[in-house]
Amino acid sequence: AQTVTQSQPEMSVQEAETVTLSCTYDTSENNYYLFWYKQPPSRQMILVIRQEAYKQQNATENRFSVNFQKAAKSFSLKISDSQLGDTAMYFCAFMKPHGDMRFGAGTRLTVKP
Amino acid sequence: GAGVSQTPSNKVTEKGKYVELRCDPISGHTALYWYRQSLGQGPEFLIYFQGTGAADDSGLPNDRFFAVRPEGSVSTLKIQRTERGDSAVYLCASSPTSGRVETQYFGPGTRLLVL
Repeated sequence: AQTVTQSQPEMSVQEAETVTLSCTYDTSENNYYLFWYKQPPSRQMILVIRQEAYKQQNATENRFSVNFQKAAKSFSLKISDSQLGDTAMYFCAFMKPHGDMRFGAGTRLTVKP
Repeated sequence: GAGVSQTPSNKVTEKGKYVELRCDPISGHTALYWYRQSLGQGPEFLIYFQGTGAADDSGLPNDRFFAVRPEGSVSTLKIQRTERGDSAVYLCASSPTSGRVETQYFGPGTRLLVL
């Protein structure tokens, strides 16, 4: 079974600063996909970024980037130039081909003005 | 285009009652997923449809839970004899295919409260 661990229940960051959210996972699979989703109070899960395990290059999406360490089974999310609108719950998720998505327990991020 | 929609947005029911939760996926998406999210937790997988058939229902907690997708589009999650422990947000997601991994697009969820 695959498990996803987010060890930081809550994080805060000053507006315009950089913050890193941690995620580790456990799997015996070699081919899989990793995701970070954002969930604001509206409950809508919004995809932030995804990474294919077979790609060595870390994914980036504007202010969001990941540090994917396959051997260490680590997948952290870096948010640069944090904005007030980044305040939300962030979930790390693992998915193997033809499988369902497994989520971590989430990290509540607060961006302070 | 329209995203995934779920109705109702909130549902309050009494213990022992039957409820139905509806999900309208993005048009053309063949894969549909149901998740349950308890307070303070990440979403937990319930069931996955490919077309009209349930490809994986291993996440359904017991036989009180059932889901259908008769025409390969709209899906209904049905809960019989509801219990207080069923209170949660029920999320639906869809993706274009299941032949290869695609990103799942989520609806806003239905918050179910069982009194």
